[in-house]
Amino acid sequence: QAVLTQPASLSASPGASVSLTCTLRSGINVGTYRIYWYQQKPGSPPQYLLRYKSDSDKQQGSGVPSRFSGSKDASANAGILLISGLQSEDEADYYCMIWDSSAYWVFGGGTKLTVL
Amino acid sequence: EVQLVESGGGLVQPGGSLRLSCVASGFIFSDHYMDWVRQAPGKGLEWVGRTKNKANGYTTEYAASVKGRFTISRDDSKNSVYLQMNSLKTEDTAVYYCADAGVGYWGQGTLVTVSS
Repeated sequence: QAVLTQPASLSASPGASVSLTCTLRSGINVGTYRIYWYQQKPGSPPQYLLRYKSDSDKQQGSGVPSRFSGSKDASANAGILLISGLQSEDEADYYCMIWDSSAYWVFGGGTKLTVL
Repeated sequence: EVQLVESGGGLVQPGGSLRLSCVASGFIFSDHYMDWVRQAPGKGLEWVGRTKNKANGYTTEYAASVKGRFTISRDDSKNSVYLQMNSLKTEDTAVYYCADAGVGYWGQGTLVTVSS
């Protein structure tokens, strides 16, 4: 089982809100991790969006709009990237990442977000 | 402005070697841990390894997939980090990014193709 699992694809309409999930493997407690989120468009390097551990431990990337926000769902053992007011330019691949003491930086498989 | 510029990619035969370089500017390079992250064509992100800073003994850490074949080094006087890749395999074909993944600094990447 992968350490971080993301849905392969997601689609939503302009103006909508969408939640991208990053589920941690059973036995790894989401509450103890900072979840990092990256956006990647074709032909470009990943762009840092934000990191989230709790409401008191979070960081927005420089220049990243506030309509990108992070949270957690403890019951699902998952980190969440919420994008509100979806725009066509948000169409991209999104990756989550954690620092795991045994495996170092670990990335999720990525979610391809399509804005219909 | 933070900049990371990779170089040294190219075509190499299986079993061959290649050395990637990354020059940093716009931040205090010597304070930072530096990562190498790769992305195979059409695939997700994979952490390759990292070098810690001087305060932490320039310790290096590697992913299991490259341990024993790849070596990371740095020269703080040149604001540079290097990735020496030996015994290359076709599955090492990827874009290689220099980064500080934890703070969101990434280069544009350099393509390494391992093929006969």
